[in-house]
Amino acid sequence: GAVVSQHPSWVICKSGTSVKIECRSLDFQATTMFWYRQFPKQSLMLMATSNEGSKATYEQGVEKDKFLINHASLTLSTLTVTSAHPEDSSFYICSAPGGANEKLFFGSGTQLSVL
Amino acid sequence: QKEVEQDPGPLSVPEGAIVSLNCTYSNSAFQYFMWYRQYSRKGPELLMYTYSSGNKEDGRFTAQVDKSSKYISLFIRDSQPSDSATYLCAMRYTGTASKLTFGTGTRLQVTL
Repeated sequence: GAVVSQHPSWVICKSGTSVKIECRSLDFQATTMFWYRQFPKQSLMLMATSNEGSKATYEQGVEKDKFLINHASLTLSTLTVTSAHPEDSSFYICSAPGGANEKLFFGSGTQLSVL
Repeated sequence: QKEVEQDPGPLSVPEGAIVSLNCTYSNSAFQYFMWYRQYSRKGPELLMYTYSSGNKEDGRFTAQVDKSSKYISLFIRDSQPSDSATYLCAMRYTGTASKLTFGTGTRLQVTL
């Protein structure tokens, strides 16, 4: 299957700082990528759809100014958690559709811990 | 009522057992059905992908879709300790550019 690379795999930061997470499609191009958030023992919650060359589409209840998404190329989307607070601590996962029938492939996830 | 219902488990089975995982859904417009396996603190890995009703087999895994009952299943034969993970069902409509609706996931533990 297609490969989606996500970095970093974990990050610890101080409250008030910003953190950037990268998501790359390694062997295919992705005009659309998805960002999810997952709390322990819960399912994935879609945060936003990243669109190459245009603004991201955010799900209801997700703060656009808190979670900045940039999709500057056909293989890279970034999620920046701005002015992070402890309640932003979570597991963040990106995904991209690839191959026939737009199967969705996921990155390995980023565990964010805000102190 | 959630669009997709999935028993969170945990489900504990002995090695070698046949495992049955299930999801029900409410929206008959779903056309594509998937099963993902997620190990702790890792991204989900696509296991099975099916379109509409029917069965699909891949090695020890069999996916079944019954659209008339709005019910999908994943069977794992000869389960191994390495199968211990959370299994997420997911589904989508036609033409939704891969925007999936997920179940909550079932945590499976295969014991020696």
